[in-house]
Amino acid sequence: GENVEQHPSTLSVQEGDSAVIKCTYSDSASNYFPWYKQELGKRPQLIIDIRSNVGEKKDQRIAVTLNKTAKHFSLHITETQPEDSAVYFCAAPSGAGSYQLTFGKGTKLSVIP
Amino acid sequence: DAGVIQSPRHEVTEMGQEVTLRCKPISGHNSLFWYRQTMMRGLELLIYFNNNVPIDDSGMPEDRFSAKMPNASFSTLKIQPSEPRDSAVYFCASSLGLLAGNTGELFFGEGSRLTVL
Repeated sequence: GENVEQHPSTLSVQEGDSAVIKCTYSDSASNYFPWYKQELGKRPQLIIDIRSNVGEKKDQRIAVTLNKTAKHFSLHITETQPEDSAVYFCAAPSGAGSYQLTFGKGTKLSVIP
Repeated sequence: DAGVIQSPRHEVTEMGQEVTLRCKPISGHNSLFWYRQTMMRGLELLIYFNNNVPIDDSGMPEDRFSAKMPNASFSTLKIQPSEPRDSAVYFCASSLGLLAGNTGELFFGEGSRLTVL
């Protein structure tokens, strides 16, 4: 099955700085890489995803990059704001076309005002 | 649509008791997932249904855990007998799957927080 490693487990940044969270995966057939945000006491929600046919995708202050050769992908948040404080999870499916997502252990991001 | 609906939101029970968690997926979604979240192990996939049929239950920890999906709008996760180590937040999620034109996004319910004393 898929193995997803996520780093760091915790991250503190000053408001306005950038944050980067990295994930690696094991199944070279995986082709879909989403990121979920979970605020305290809430449900995880999708914030951005990328498919294997592109190397980068941006949506306002967040971006995701993918390196299929190295089997890693990263989440970049620029101009961080206090409301970005949450736990972020990366995920990968168990092979191409699979519906099952394996999640990383999560990164707790704290944005200090 | 009201989203994925789970009940109960909180459950406190004593060791040995039976626990039943319920889930109503988003109408039209053909895939349903049960996840368990703990601080130590993160989000673990327990079981996955596609078109009401269990596809992969390899994540179900023990025979004490069972899940059913009798129709497209309802699923249950049962623990019998419950143990303190089962304490966690259990999330149900539904999806359109990775079919052509669909994104594969998982829509999670609010979760059921289970505490077994």
